[in-house]
Amino acid sequence: NAGVTQTPKFRILKIGQSMTLQCTQDMNHNYMYWYRQDPGMGLKLIYYSVGAGITDKGEVPNGYNVSRSTTEDFPLRLELAAPSQTSVYFCASSYSFSKGNTEAFFGQGTRLTVV
Amino acid sequence: KQEVTQIPAALSVPEGENLVLNCSFTDSAIYNLQWFRQDPGKGLTSLLLIQSSQREQTSGRLNASLDKSSGRSTLYIAASQPGDSATYLCAVETSGSRLTFGEGTQLTVNP
Repeated sequence: NAGVTQTPKFRILKIGQSMTLQCTQDMNHNYMYWYRQDPGMGLKLIYYSVGAGITDKGEVPNGYNVSRSTTEDFPLRLELAAPSQTSVYFCASSYSFSKGNTEAFFGQGTRLTVV
Repeated sequence: KQEVTQIPAALSVPEGENLVLNCSFTDSAIYNLQWFRQDPGKGLTSLLLIQSSQREQTSGRLNASLDKSSGRSTLYIAASQPGDSATYLCAVETSGSRLTFGEGTQLTVNP
């Protein structure tokens, strides 16, 4: 059982470049999330989705975009990368509270450096 | 706005000691609270999830308690081992299934 899979694991971008971080889950979770974690800090929510076709901003959405065309996939798009976006990015998924167990499962992370 | 605080930020103990990690949150209107473990350079592994109606959860040497009215949770680790060395994060789920994280407690268990 793969759980939550993120690609790539590492990436170096130049300022102004764009890229997409991929995330897929095979647990049929309706909720998916993108977080970023800066060194020595907790995780901050970038965007989340409560189901296919529905996305919403989290705490730190500026500079990012997302889409949710299927239940399984939730890609995160960085446009015009900036040094402030250097971070480790985590994708997560869970069931909604109405479905009972809302335990969140996380991918292994993508370490992004913008130079 | 929900805020989550974890104390202490770092903790170093000798092997075999029992220890307590603390988590506090400002808004008691939570659905659940979850404790995670994060190893260096790795993702998060869920340890325990306590629903808002529960008082505690146990898994092996780990016991997590929740006092929703006072906005506090503790993670108790019994008979600590070097393999327990990691960063421990607590997160609360509020409306919209949004998790708000604390900054973590970095635990080192010395042989």
